[in-house]
Amino acid sequence: DAGVIQSPRHEVTEMGQEVTLRCKPISGHDYLFWYRQTMMRGLELLIYFNNNVPIDDSGMPEDRFSAKMPNASFSTLKIQPSEPRDSAVYFCASAPGARNEQFFGPGTRLTVL
Amino acid sequence: GEDVEQSLFLSVREGDSSVINCTYTDSSSTYLYWYKQEPGAGLQLLTYIFSNMDMKQDQRLTVLLNKKDKHLSLRIADTQTGDSAIYFCAERNRDDKIIFGKGTRLHILP
Repeated sequence: DAGVIQSPRHEVTEMGQEVTLRCKPISGHDYLFWYRQTMMRGLELLIYFNNNVPIDDSGMPEDRFSAKMPNASFSTLKIQPSEPRDSAVYFCASAPGARNEQFFGPGTRLTVL
Repeated sequence: GEDVEQSLFLSVREGDSSVINCTYTDSSSTYLYWYKQEPGAGLQLLTYIFSNMDMKQDQRLTVLLNKKDKHLSLRIADTQTGDSAIYFCAERNRDDKIIFGKGTRLHILP
């Protein structure tokens, strides 16, 4: 298996633009997590899905952020409109079960100018 | 609320032992983890310890858990340049949510 795949690896955009980050979890994993990593706040859980259903989105910063999982092999995290303070590395992770190890993707480094 | 604290930086000479420390607040944590993040990559699980254990050894890695003090440490023996990374402490809380620390950046001196 190729592991968790994220695209793009790097994204540079201007303030106000819409940004869509993509994730393909490991096949057979029922859980998918979106994290954000910054120097100031460390690693924060934004939202996670179980069997494509959002379970806990309490970490989503505000209404500008939305996440979807239309099927078991694809998820998106969208920011609209983007702001400079959204600049961070966004990680997607997947796990076979709630109590199993999470496998992380390589991350998307987002820069909002 | 729940919190996991760890120092941000550690410098160690190559060949010495590295000890990375972590404290957590949730006394009902079931598992505690150490993840490693190499430059430009995601986090990878390094090792974990169940909360009813006080020590776990895996080759060069030793994890010590003091549940009374809510203190977790990771010791890396004979530190190599390839150990240079960010190490994250994490706990699994009673709601099965994993709470991560901010990470300790380990720098290896020649």
